Amino acid sequence: GQQVKQSSPSLTVQEGGISILNCDYENDMFDYFAWYKKYPDNSPTLLISVRSNVDKREDGRLTVFLNKSGKHFSLHITASQPEDTAVYLCAAGYTGNYKYVFGAGTRLKVIA
Amino acid sequence: EAAVTQSPRNKVAVTGGKVTLSCNQTNNHNNMYWYRQDTGHGLRLIHYSYGAGSTEKGDIPDGYKASRPSQENFSLILELATPSQTSVYFCASGNWGGGATQYFGPGTRLLVL
Repeated sequence: GQQVKQSSPSLTVQEGGISILNCDYENDMFDYFAWYKKYPDNSPTLLISVRSNVDKREDGRLTVFLNKSGKHFSLHITASQPEDTAVYLCAAGYTGNYKYVFGAGTRLKVIA
Repeated sequence: EAAVTQSPRNKVAVTGGKVTLSCNQTNNHNNMYWYRQDTGHGLRLIHYSYGAGSTEKGDIPDGYKASRPSQENFSLILELATPSQTSVYFCASGNWGGGATQYFGPGTRLLVL
């Protein structure tokens, strides 16, 4: 089954707005949560990550929120720009086996 | 900046043929991974490794083998390629401690006819 799920395959946001990307997970053992960005024909690159002992982490325009009781984490991108247009992959991992599980991705489009 | 390279970058194979995809990393990372990316599925883990000599099955290992002869190199082997294995394959490396970031290679586009 899908251990990590991104329920929205696509999202369109106006330039300057807030993009909110969501990810749900099933496995209580996951203790590492990350967001990767992928442009077409490129490889994924890490945007931001958190460990399970942190509920929130900010880095510039990016904020990750982790809700462990709800098995949910999200990425907020403020002041969205056209160059934010890409596919965003969420990932959850477990330090017990060094494995990651990725979601199917959300295609974000920021329009002017 | 972490460096992960893959070869070949593009490959056309025939059904039933053997395909070997190679990955090299120069960052001295312990862990290496092979994923495939397909529309609607994101990245799915095929095999991974904790270090030289180790290989572990990921979430979709059927039809694939892996080999980690050294810290730097990790290969994915398709002994009998099938059209369903047509995909883009990504290799990644990382160390779990200190951030657990995965660094991805540029990908290999495989077409099995």
